[in-house]
Amino acid sequence: GAVVSQHPSRVICKSGTSVKIECRSLDFQATTMFWYRQFPKQSLMLMATSNEGSKATYEQGVEKDKFLINHASLTLSTLTVTSAHPEDSSFYICSAVSGGVGTDTQYFGPGTRLTVL
Amino acid sequence: AQTVTQSQPEMSVQEAETVTLSCTYDTSENNYYLFWYKQPPSRQMILVIRQEAYKQQNATENRFSVNFQKAAKSFSLKISDSQLGDTAMYFCAFMSYNAGNMLTFGGGTRLMVKP
Repeated sequence: GAVVSQHPSRVICKSGTSVKIECRSLDFQATTMFWYRQFPKQSLMLMATSNEGSKATYEQGVEKDKFLINHASLTLSTLTVTSAHPEDSSFYICSAVSGGVGTDTQYFGPGTRLTVL
Repeated sequence: AQTVTQSQPEMSVQEAETVTLSCTYDTSENNYYLFWYKQPPSRQMILVIRQEAYKQQNATENRFSVNFQKAAKSFSLKISDSQLGDTAMYFCAFMSYNAGNMLTFGGGTRLMVKP
């Protein structure tokens, strides 16, 4: 149980285009989802917290208009990188927390590698 | 704000040996959770073990066990009978009861298990 998927696993796009990354909880309902960014050989950096049906809470320094987060259902959250630039190239990871037993544990998706040319 | 420190950027261990990864944290709270996550080369974050601060007994999951010292704010991970598949980045993480399930991660320790 507690499986989280991400799609796509990797994406290459041209500078100026937008990219959407999906995060799904496959076998539980996720009241809260988190989006992280990870640079090579570094720890995870929290970008935003997403609660179903409400606006995401962004961490300081994360541009809301650039990284659009939508948590439309209890099993799906999306991150859209708008007008992507090479500096947005990174590894993006989502995680989800259920509203039931074990609500204290984040379960992670496999990540999405974004390369902006 | 909480901080989590992993003082060992890299470690190595021979296969079948035991290794201990260090983690310290700083918090003024009394109720919280602590976690160890593993990130192998695939980069999938995998939960290794979790500890609830109110429990004095150290958590154990097969070959993985922790030494939780609440007063010292220390939470080390011991891996017994190390296997090649244990090669990964290991992240220690803190979660407050009052922080909406938000995790604070340490900087990570890269563990290499040598045959």
